[in-house]
Amino acid sequence: DAGVTQSPTHLIKTRGQQVTLRCSPKSGHDTVSWYQQALGQGPQFIFQYYEEEERQRGNFPDRFSGHQFPNYSSELNVNALLLGDSALYLCASSWRLGQETQYFGPGTRLLVL
Amino acid sequence: AQSVTQPDIHITVSEGASLELRCNYSYGATPYLFWYVQSPGQGLQLLLKYFSGDTLVQGIKGFEAEFKRSQSSFNLRKPSVHWSDAAEYFCAVVPNQAGTALIFGKGTTLSVSS
Repeated sequence: DAGVTQSPTHLIKTRGQQVTLRCSPKSGHDTVSWYQQALGQGPQFIFQYYEEEERQRGNFPDRFSGHQFPNYSSELNVNALLLGDSALYLCASSWRLGQETQYFGPGTRLLVL
Repeated sequence: AQSVTQPDIHITVSEGASLELRCNYSYGATPYLFWYVQSPGQGLQLLLKYFSGDTLVQGIKGFEAEFKRSQSSFNLRKPSVHWSDAAEYFCAVVPNQAGTALIFGKGTTLSVSS
């Protein structure tokens, strides 16, 4: 049973560029949430997708956008990258927007120079 | 302001000694409560969770946590720490009736000395 997978594992970009991160949920899950974890901090919720729609959003600017595909996989897009966007981006999956267990992927480490 | 507080940034425990990591939350109603562990360069692994019922919750790897409503706390414990327990520990909540986003504390780094 495959867990949550994310790609790529590492990424280096320069300021102003755009980046797309990808996530495949755990088998049987239909909800994907994205979190940003800055160095030395706890993860912060970016947004959540269910039935291909954004259902909940944290306190992140519109530069952060996402998409969910019919197979439940998801993408996180960040435009006009800032140095402060450097972080570990974590994807979590769950079932039916449940408040129960969210399973996390290994994350994508983004470095913005 | 609503928040999750982990008062201890870094704790060092001798191998075989007991461990308690503290977590306090400030939400009006009892939220759903979680403890996650993160090893270096890894994602988050769920240790245990509390939704309702018995206030003492058993988790994986020999961890347990106790919910105390009067203190708005959900402290994590382990009777005997192993060197492999060295990691970052995060307390998280899902505020009831406020979506399903996890709100994390800033984490506690656990070091284990021999």
